[in-house]
Amino acid sequence: EVQLVQSGAEVKKPGESLKISCKGSGYSFTSYWIGWVRQMPGKGLEWMGIIYPGDSDTRYSPSFQGQVTISADKSISTAYLQWSSLKASDTAMYYCARGGGSSTFDYWGQGTLVTVSS
Amino acid sequence: DIQMTQSPSSLSASVGDRVTITCRASQSISSYLNWYQQKPGKAPKLLIYAASSLQSGVPSRFSGSGSGTDFTLTISSLQPEDFATYYCQQSYSTPSTFGQGTRLEIK
Repeated sequence: EVQLVQSGAEVKKPGESLKISCKGSGYSFTSYWIGWVRQMPGKGLEWMGIIYPGDSDTRYSPSFQGQVTISADKSISTAYLQWSSLKASDTAMYYCARGGGSSTFDYWGQGTLVTVSS
Repeated sequence: DIQMTQSPSSLSASVGDRVTITCRASQSISSYLNWYQQKPGKAPKLLIYAASSLQSGVPSRFSGSGSGTDFTLTISSLQPEDFATYYCQQSYSTPSTFGQGTRLEIK
């Protein structure tokens, strides 16, 4: 069974760093893209970027380029999304998803809620 | 970036109704169009990919059509579990982009 399991909810202060994770199982982790999608409270879905764990090819939305870093460790079938300096506006639910065909997301993680507040 | 515009933004309908949601791309995306369903507090679920292909396990009352810039998602006979928010997404080019969503509510 394909599963993507994300790390738990985080509460951080502005300026702090954060790395959240997404562990894949039940399929060949290196053969599919992993994407990250943001959903701010009460809002729609925003495509942040994708990574191909097989060769670490990474693409970002211009809206998120320079604001976050996407990475993957194929040895433990885990993808990451990280921030070096969080802002209150980063408060959102973050989903990882498997890209069946690049950005066609056929399996999703359960989401990680990130709250940034002083 | 390619802009995706859904209409309507919200819709009230009754169980058994036939419902159509429209998605328009700002430029041609061939058939690189996906539809997702999201229920409150849950992750999105892929319903339709490549404009008209039904994802495995999705009921056949869901169907998609279109190509180029204009696409539709149709639910042939609404069931209680279909009341949710629906998003289209283009996977033609990077960055991929989602529509703003259509909230389907019970009348």
